[in-house]
Amino acid sequence: SQQGEEDPQALSIQEGENATMNCSYKTSINNLQWYRQNSGRGLVHLILIRSNEREKHSGRLRVTLDTSKKSSSLLITASRAADTASYFCAPVQGAQKLVFGQGTRLTINP
Amino acid sequence: DAGVIQSPRHEVTEMGQEVTLRCKPISGHNSLFWYRQTMMRGLELLIYFNNNVPIDDSGMPEDRFSAKMPNASFSTLKIQPSEPRDSAVYFCASRLDITSGNTIYFGEGSWLTVV
Repeated sequence: SQQGEEDPQALSIQEGENATMNCSYKTSINNLQWYRQNSGRGLVHLILIRSNEREKHSGRLRVTLDTSKKSSSLLITASRAADTASYFCAPVQGAQKLVFGQGTRLTINP
Repeated sequence: DAGVIQSPRHEVTEMGQEVTLRCKPISGHNSLFWYRQTMMRGLELLIYFNNNVPIDDSGMPEDRFSAKMPNASFSTLKIQPSEPRDSAVYFCASRLDITSGNTIYFGEGSWLTVV
């Protein structure tokens, strides 16, 4: 298994702006998953993108995947205060264990 | 479904004491994961089970840590003896199928403080 590396480590934006977080990984994958963690809570799955997909949408979330660059991005449009959380990516290779990086801490300022 | 259930939610214990954390996975899920989260080390995978069998325990920090899954609906993570550096949030998570890449579902965590 491999660990994704999220970038930036921290991001602070104004409410209503878009937030973009990036994830890089090292080897081939079957899929890549994004999770959110609110303060003091467990991680919650947001979206999964398979290796043969390039872009996926879910509400205000847009995920892209570039397997040639071994990178993914998560875009949150029209951010809200409730989007304040840490965001983690998990590249899945053999579809066994999921390993997480340090995450991106997103702060939405009112 | 009630989701992954962990207990206790919070525990404060003295150094040297035994700590037992409990987890009930989502019914029907056949994979179970134990993670530890600290500010310094982030979210670490300690061990995971498939069909009640430990598959990979390479993340277990040392012999003081042990995990069991006696049946499909229950798992424990035990620390004996506990040390202050074990203070962390311990998460249990479960998944339906280990080979499909399906998403995993986390519990709310057990907040452990060892003084």
